[in-house]
Amino acid sequence: EVQLLASGGGLVQPGGSLRLSCAASGFTFSNSPMSWVRQVPGKGLEWVSTITDSGASTYYADSVKGRFTISRDNPKNTLYLQMNNLRAEDTAIYYCARYYYVSGSSRYFDYWGQGTLVTASS
Amino acid sequence: DIQLTQSPSFLSASVGDRVTITCRASQGISSYLAWYQQKPGKAPKLLIYAASTLQSGIPSRFSGSGSGTQFTLTISSLQPEDFATYYCQQLHSDPITFGQGTRLEIK
Repeated sequence: EVQLLASGGGLVQPGGSLRLSCAASGFTFSNSPMSWVRQVPGKGLEWVSTITDSGASTYYADSVKGRFTISRDNPKNTLYLQMNNLRAEDTAIYYCARYYYVSGSSRYFDYWGQGTLVTASS
Repeated sequence: DIQLTQSPSFLSASVGDRVTITCRASQGISSYLAWYQQKPGKAPKLLIYAASTLQSGIPSRFSGSGSGTQFTLTISSLQPEDFATYYCQQLHSDPITFGQGTRLEIK
């Protein structure tokens, strides 16, 4: 059974930092690109970041570029999101998701974690 | 960035109804479009990928069609468990974007 377990969310003051983790099991993590998606409670979905299977390439939404860093530890089957200089508008539920990607073919997010809430507020 | 516009944003329907949700892309995305269902307090769930391919385990009453800039999600006969919010997503080019969502409620 595939599981993605996100953790690390919490209350942080604006300007502060937080690191999210996503522990994966039930699939070959080291062969899978991974992404983070966030959602302000009651609002829509926003893609945040993607990392390739090896970790060699990373991609970010403009809204987080320069402040957030996505990384992974393949031997530990864990995905991370380091969030620095947090702003009130970063307050959201953060989901990790497996990005199924075959060049020239299908692409989609097939497995999602349960989400972890980040609140940036004083 | 590619913008996705869903219509309607809100839909009220009855059990047994046939409903269609439309997703329009601001530029061509071939068939790199996915549909997700989200229920309150839960993560999104993949329904359709490559515009028209049903994800494993998803009931056949769900179907998708389209390519280029116009896409549709159809539920042939609404069941009580289908009342949720639906999102389209384009994966043609970065940044990946989502539609604003369609909230489907019981009439």
